[in-house]
Amino acid sequence: GDSVTQMEGPVTLSEEAFLTINCTYTATGYPSLFWYVQYPGEGLQLLLKATKADDKGSNKGFEATYRKETTSFHLEKGSVQVSDSAVYFCALSDLSGGSNYKLTFGKGTLLTVNP
Amino acid sequence: GAVVSQHPSRVICKSGTSVKIECRSLDFQATTMFWYRQFPKQSLMLMATSNEGSKATYEQGVEKDKFLINHASLTLSTLTVTSAHPEDSSFYICSARGNRGSNQPQHFGDGTRLSIL
Repeated sequence: GDSVTQMEGPVTLSEEAFLTINCTYTATGYPSLFWYVQYPGEGLQLLLKATKADDKGSNKGFEATYRKETTSFHLEKGSVQVSDSAVYFCALSDLSGGSNYKLTFGKGTLLTVNP
Repeated sequence: GAVVSQHPSRVICKSGTSVKIECRSLDFQATTMFWYRQFPKQSLMLMATSNEGSKATYEQGVEKDKFLINHASLTLSTLTVTSAHPEDSSFYICSARGNRGSNQPQHFGDGTRLSIL
């Protein structure tokens, strides 16, 4: 079945540092890929998405490129801020209609950014 | 952007009580809604998928009679935890997906913290 493997945390960075959170996936078809962010005590917010190979999703300075050849969707940000501290989830969506487009999540990576 | 409202945000109640959690899509029609459970410092576990007007599809190991799901309209789904016990204490999150094409993302509510005493 489908699966998502993401970098285990926690990740601790200083403000303005470069961030990479690795994510790789296995899927039978051509899924859509997502990064979600969860702030403490809250639900998940969609951070960015990519729906086909070589697409780049971007939002709030975060970027991720859908790499079919390496089955990866790594999250990057050039300069993190304290407010970026949260848990980040990589996810894929099975696009087959019978699956109801269920999301498969990675285990999440806790990011802490210190001032 | 798309907004999903989940209510209540926190519930504390006695063992044996039934608890209802509502999930509403505020500015779009949600053909499909999903219910997740999240344990501390863990990922989301999909409990069930509900389509408007039909019975929910439960994931393996999730008790249908324990977690009742109703999706009576395109903007509302409810999860009822029946006769809740302390082991049901958890963070429950719903999500909703629009019906405009296959690339629609899921939009999540803010979650419900359920504590059973």
